[in-house]
Amino acid sequence: QSVLTQPPSVSGAPGQRVTISCSGTSSNIGATYDVHWYQHLPGTAPQLLIYAFNNRPSGVPDRFSGSKSGTSASLTITGLQAEDEADYYCQSYDRSLNCFVFGSGTKVTV
Amino acid sequence: QVQLQESGSGLVKPSQTLFLTCAVSGGSITSGGHTWNWIRQPPGKGLEWIGYVYHTGSTYYNPSLQSRVIISVDRSKNQFSLNLTSVTAADTAVYYCARAPALAKGWFDPWGQGTLVNVSS
Repeated sequence: QSVLTQPPSVSGAPGQRVTISCSGTSSNIGATYDVHWYQHLPGTAPQLLIYAFNNRPSGVPDRFSGSKSGTSASLTITGLQAEDEADYYCQSYDRSLNCFVFGSGTKVTV
Repeated sequence: QVQLQESGSGLVKPSQTLFLTCAVSGGSITSGGHTWNWIRQPPGKGLEWIGYVYHTGSTYYNPSLQSRVIISVDRSKNQFSLNLTSVTAADTAVYYCARAPALAKGWFDPWGQGTLVNVSS
């Protein structure tokens, strides 16, 4: 059972915009800990996509963006492309559990 | 560019100890500023953080696994290791190593490719 809740799947046509939600509590996202996002293709290393809510590492396209509101965060992909088909995970820190926590993961289908 | 690579036994018997190593290339563990982490993903399930080691040898573990985990660093080989004792089928997972900034409850980057460990008799 993941501490952060994500929808199991989202889908969209090429060029569309999709948003993945990450729901937490006052012990993690609501406690002002940063939220980070990863893209994961099975069999490969997860890749950092967004760090500290809305910062992109070098090389990550600007069609990926993050936001936060209260105890939730979101990842938006604007202009969906076939290569974006992957699993996406959010991650934060939980002060009650005293450990890093991840979302349940969302499979994006293009 | 720092790269991480996991290695170790892919099959462990129940009640035995799982041992994995993460080799770091393209940078030094002793340069400081980062923690060196282990994360796992059981089949069909989400990611679970296991713990980290700092280059000084100080550690911090997931409280749910703390009684069975030891993470250590070998500065001479520029690698760090995971020991998980008394394993059960529930410990079957893909195990990843990853780096994180030391001064914040931050992000993991980069990650290794992961190695599948199967706990079975």
